[in-house]
Amino acid sequence: GESVGLHLPTLSVQEGDNSIINCAYSNSASDYFIWYKQESGKGPQFIIDIRSNMDKRQGQRVTVLLNKTVKHLSLQIAATQPGDSAVYFCAESRNAGGTSYGKLTFGQGTILTVHP
Amino acid sequence: DAGVIQSPRHEVTEMGQEVTLRCKPISGHNSLFWYRQTMMRGLELLIYFNNNVPIDDSGMPEDRFSAKMPNASFSTLKIQPSEPRDSAVYFCASSSRPRGETQYFGPGTRLLVL
Repeated sequence: GESVGLHLPTLSVQEGDNSIINCAYSNSASDYFIWYKQESGKGPQFIIDIRSNMDKRQGQRVTVLLNKTVKHLSLQIAATQPGDSAVYFCAESRNAGGTSYGKLTFGQGTILTVHP
Repeated sequence: DAGVIQSPRHEVTEMGQEVTLRCKPISGHNSLFWYRQTMMRGLELLIYFNNNVPIDDSGMPEDRFSAKMPNASFSTLKIQPSEPRDSAVYFCASSSRPRGETQYFGPGTRLLVL
């Protein structure tokens, strides 16, 4: 029978283009955000993170933008390469106080496909 | 440096059997997490250890699941008895950050319960 599962958003780009992957979050108390890349058959790989006291952070070929007003997070990948093809997850956490443990809540993910 | 190490990478078992998944966190990391990933539910946190002590096990599905961390370099996730609905990819992650952010994931164990 037909399987029912998460229907992930998809993004297809040409090699060399810039990619923008978006993520909306709902908890206004979230103060830490992180992006992961997951290739087929592998575990999620850390890309970049940002705290709520910042609105932009850059890494190698990647930039994360945070808009707390509309609770929106984006990951920009410059000069996208075929090796960037993967599922990209955003995750958020908030300072729970006490134990200082911030549980990461993951989004559903976005499938990025880069065509040569 | 070696990343998070998990074993086995693949496990096929029959319903009712005991399954033990193993994890070695990155040396020096004091936080360890077990996650489960399925197409239906995505990535779910099962349990979190800090300094070998379970802090949050609210994600453990039921009593059939148990996790231990006898020392800083080893953790196990056990399912007894296993059921077909336990089929999933199980990930272990570790972190050195005070709040457990910036978690580094292992390659996962793909479990199939027949």
